[in-house]
Amino acid sequence: NAGVTQTPKFQVLKTGQSMTLQCAQDMNHEYMSWYRQDPGMGLRLIHYSVGAGITDQGEVPNGYNVSRSTTEDFPLRLLSAAPSQTSVYFCASSYVPQETQYFGPGTRLLVL
Amino acid sequence: AQSVAQPEDQVNVAEGNPLTVKCTYSVSGNPYLFWYVQYPNRGLQFLLKYITGDNLVKGSYGFEAEFNKSQTSFHLKKPSALVSDSALYFCAVRDFKAAGNKLTFGGGTRVLVKP
Repeated sequence: NAGVTQTPKFQVLKTGQSMTLQCAQDMNHEYMSWYRQDPGMGLRLIHYSVGAGITDQGEVPNGYNVSRSTTEDFPLRLLSAAPSQTSVYFCASSYVPQETQYFGPGTRLLVL
Repeated sequence: AQSVAQPEDQVNVAEGNPLTVKCTYSVSGNPYLFWYVQYPNRGLQFLLKYITGDNLVKGSYGFEAEFNKSQTSFHLKKPSALVSDSALYFCAVRDFKAAGNKLTFGGGTRVLVKP
């Protein structure tokens, strides 16, 4: 199993550009989530999904969209990038919400 | 609302000495507690968790944590630290009653083990 994979590893955007961060898992996990990591603030939940076709907002959802058309994939979209979205983004998955979450390697995003 | 506090930004310890990383939490219901470790430029790796049962939980790489309900704490410990334990450690809590069963992380504690 590849586990949780994320692409790209690093991305530079200009303010106002859009992009999609990809996340995929091959463990047949129902629960997937996106976090952003900023210094001194730990990880903050952006959006999550409890199964295909079901998504909900986390702690810091503004400026981000998600969809879950399949169990395996959970892309995160930035519609109009802002410098405040400079961060490291992690995708995670688990069988059910209360079980251990497995994290991807992260995407480092720089918005100029 | 659930929350997690890691009061120390950094912990310095000499190799071979005991290591403790502190964590306190706040939830309205029963907590599910986790510890994760992050090595430089890597994702988070699971160390251990407390769901129910024995208050002393043993995890990966010789780490253990003690759940203390009265003090709402879940401190991470290792009897003898290694230089390779130098990393960023995160405590996290999930309140099973919270909507969406969200996982809330502390701010992280950087551990530096000196030879």
